[in-house]
Amino acid sequence: DAGVIQSPRHEVTEMGQEVTLRCKPISGHDYLFWYRQTMMQGLELLVYFNNKAVMDDSGMPKDRFSAKMPNASFSTLKIQPSEPRDSAVYFCASSLAPSGGLQETQYFGPGTRLLVL
Amino acid sequence: AQSVSQHNHHVILSEAASLELGCNYSYGGTVNLFWYVQYPGQHLQLLLKYFSGDPLVKGIKGFEAEFIKSKFSFNLRKPSVQWSDTAEYFCAVNAASNTGKLIFGQGTTLQVKP
Repeated sequence: DAGVIQSPRHEVTEMGQEVTLRCKPISGHDYLFWYRQTMMQGLELLVYFNNKAVMDDSGMPKDRFSAKMPNASFSTLKIQPSEPRDSAVYFCASSLAPSGGLQETQYFGPGTRLLVL
Repeated sequence: AQSVSQHNHHVILSEAASLELGCNYSYGGTVNLFWYVQYPGQHLQLLLKYFSGDPLVKGIKGFEAEFIKSKFSFNLRKPSVQWSDTAEYFCAVNAASNTGKLIFGQGTTLQVKP
């Protein structure tokens, strides 16, 4: 299996521009997570999906961020308009559904390093 | 609300030294616990996990962790570190409630000197 695939790996953009990050989860995984990693805040969960439906987006600034999962093998995280404070590494992760109360391991992608100038 | 606390933010050790990284969580119910590692420039990888049973869990690369329920702790240990263990280590917790949601600690940067 190729693992979780993210694109682009690096993105440099100017403030105010739209940024779209993409993720392909591991085939068969029902859960997909978007995280943001910064030096100050560490690893924060922005949003996660179960079977393409948003389960929790409480960590996502909704005025400028939006996340979609149009099908089981693709998700996007969009920032519009982007700001310098959005500069971070954005990770996508996927997992199987919890079973019998046991949390399945999340597998992380390589991340997208975003720099907003 | 659940939270995870990693008390050591930056640890520097010499090769062959023993390692213990602290992790405490706040949640009164049943939890699943994880340690992830992030090598420089790479993505997070699972080191080990605890769901139930033996509270001493063994993971990859000689790491182990002990779940002490009374102390709400899940400390990571390795008897003898190597230079290649230089990385950032994250503790994470999930309430065993089918939410799929992990709460991560702030991470501990480990630097191993050759």
